[in-house]
Amino acid sequence: EVQLVESGGGLVQPGRSLRLSCAASGFTFDEYAMHWVRQAPGKGLEWVSSINWNSGSTGYADSVRGRFTISRDNAKNSLYLQMNSLRPEDTALYYCGKDTKGAYYHYIDVWGRGTTVTVSS
Amino acid sequence: DIQMTQSPSSLSASVGDRVTITCRASQTINNYLNWYQQKPGKAPKVLIYAVFSLQSGVPSRFSGSGSGTDFTLSISSLQPEDFATYYCQQSDSTPLTFGGGTKVEIK
Repeated sequence: EVQLVESGGGLVQPGRSLRLSCAASGFTFDEYAMHWVRQAPGKGLEWVSSINWNSGSTGYADSVRGRFTISRDNAKNSLYLQMNSLRPEDTALYYCGKDTKGAYYHYIDVWGRGTTVTVSS
Repeated sequence: DIQMTQSPSSLSASVGDRVTITCRASQTINNYLNWYQQKPGKAPKVLIYAVFSLQSGVPSRFSGSGSGTDFTLSISSLQPEDFATYYCQQSDSTPLTFGGGTKVEIK
């Protein structure tokens, strides 16, 4: 079964850091691009960041560029999101998603259940 | 950055109705347009990719059309399980922007 399981969320003070992880199983992880998408409480979907199969290409939303870093470890079938200088507006449910392509971005065909990040003092 | 504008933001419809949701991109997106469905408390699910391609397992009452900057998701005969929020997304270039969503409610 193809599965993505996010972890690492929690309550953090503004200005602090958090690292999200996404464990992938049931597919050949290193063949696909991966994504992070977030959803603030009661709001719509917001794309956060993407990385291609070999980490050669990454992209970020303007709202997180310079503060968040996406990475992957293909040997561990894992995707990461390092989040620094967190702000209250980063409070959201963070989803990990698998693309259908490897070298470029097409669409997300598998989603995790998400991990909740709350930024508050 | 490419902005995606969905309309309407919400609609009320009855079972059996035909429903149409539109999505407009701020510039041409070369048909890299996808549609997702999200139910409360659940992760999104892809319905349509590349404008009109139906994802495996998705009922044929869902269809997509459009080109250039204007795109449409249609549901030919609304079923009880279709009451949800729908999002378009462009994957032509980063940032991979989503539309604001359309909530389909029961009339």
